[in-house]
Amino acid sequence: QSALTQPASVSGSPGQSITISCTGTNSDVGAYNYVSWFQQHPGKAPKLMIYDVSNRPSGLSNRFSGSKSGNSASLTISGLQAEDEADYYCSSYTTSRTVIFGGGTKLTVL
Amino acid sequence: QVQLVQSGSELKEPGASVKVSCKASGYTFTRHSMNWVRQAPGQGLEWMGWINMNTGNPTYAQDFTGRFVFSLDTSVNTAYLQISTLKAEDTAVYYCARDYNMVAFDIWGQGTMVSVSS
Repeated sequence: QSALTQPASVSGSPGQSITISCTGTNSDVGAYNYVSWFQQHPGKAPKLMIYDVSNRPSGLSNRFSGSKSGNSASLTISGLQAEDEADYYCSSYTTSRTVIFGGGTKLTVL
Repeated sequence: QVQLVQSGSELKEPGASVKVSCKASGYTFTRHSMNWVRQAPGQGLEWMGWINMNTGNPTYAQDFTGRFVFSLDTSVNTAYLQISTLKAEDTAVYYCARDYNMVAFDIWGQGTMVSVSS
């Protein structure tokens, strides 16, 4: 099963908003509302940012939001800050009862 | 606090085996399934599979059948990943991750670097 499709890189200036897309199929992203997003800084473990498409873990900044339409999901970061610079991965539950990750997106804060 | 602490880095020769541990604390160990995720150097995240904490039954992703074994020791709140017949391409960081609910991997171990080289 191929990875979910994410752009390799996105960039934005401090204070701006950016959106990272995650495209799958009707066997994964389109099948359930079980899409998560993870942030990973270099040399660190991933961190859960969004789960169930649009839910934020307790204590996480509301600058991070998620959505889904059909077979595609999106992560939006508003009010971009320098510390948001990291790799971002989407993931989805699949109809095969497995989990699939996206290829990852490198966010650069200009 | 809720955390997963993994065992330290390993350097192994091709053909050897390795066992990575993931010790949980701060929550009821059997309440949430444990997943394993691989990240090769400079690459993305790969889901390896998960283990049912109540039955001990593992489920492996397609690329991780045969040489990979997930196990548990509930008496010490620890999950294990064993890899046999190591190959150079197994060189990666291996993470354990607690599944809060359907891909909501909310707690991650710090990662264990496994290097395979002669």
